[in-house]
Amino acid sequence: SQTIHQWPATLVQPVGSPLSLECTVEGTSNPNLYWYRQAAGRGLQLLFYSVGIGQISSEVPQNLSASRPQDRQFILSSKKLLLSDSGFYLCAWRATAGAPYEQYFGPGTRLTVT
Amino acid sequence: AQSVAQPEDQVNVAEGNPLTVKCTYSVSGNPYLFWYVQYPNRGLQFLLKYITGDNLVKGSYGFEAEFNKSQTSFHLKKPSALVSDSALYFCAVRDIRGNTGFQKLVFGTGTRLLVSP
Repeated sequence: SQTIHQWPATLVQPVGSPLSLECTVEGTSNPNLYWYRQAAGRGLQLLFYSVGIGQISSEVPQNLSASRPQDRQFILSSKKLLLSDSGFYLCAWRATAGAPYEQYFGPGTRLTVT
Repeated sequence: AQSVAQPEDQVNVAEGNPLTVKCTYSVSGNPYLFWYVQYPNRGLQFLLKYITGDNLVKGSYGFEAEFNKSQTSFHLKKPSALVSDSALYFCAVRDIRGNTGFQKLVFGTGTRLLVSP
């Protein structure tokens, strides 16, 4: 069966510091991968998505970047964090074989920028 | 663009009573609709989806959803609520990005369900 991991689970970082959040998926190949941010426990904002290694699309201009160095690894980064980067970051995957339209989410990373 | 609306910020129901969480959609073409649940400080869990076929879709944890084309709705239901059902519920619709064919989900703003003992 497929599983998705995210780490760290929580992170407290000062303004101006770098960021690296990691997401890995097991049990599937060539998934579509997604990074979302959820602010104030409500709406989800799609930040980045990837259809393959090295292929990243950004949904909104911002202080963050994403990379996909391996098929099942998705990394969210920042060179200098802003206070507004605080939030709950969720990684998700979708299988591309067959017709499984739903996405499956990881456990999330709670980021607090101080 | 595809969109969904969840008109209720919060739904309160007593344990044992039936529950309904509302969702309406706006799409071009056939809608592919989804429900997710989120418990505090956790990721979203997939509950069910409507792609085609029967208008009543059954999902996880005893939840079901009714697709109504004439009312453009996809309400989430459960015959008998449990306190443990208290969580944040999201409705979503599939969107296809332009000429790339890339599929993404567009989420509603969420509805908080509170089930009282």
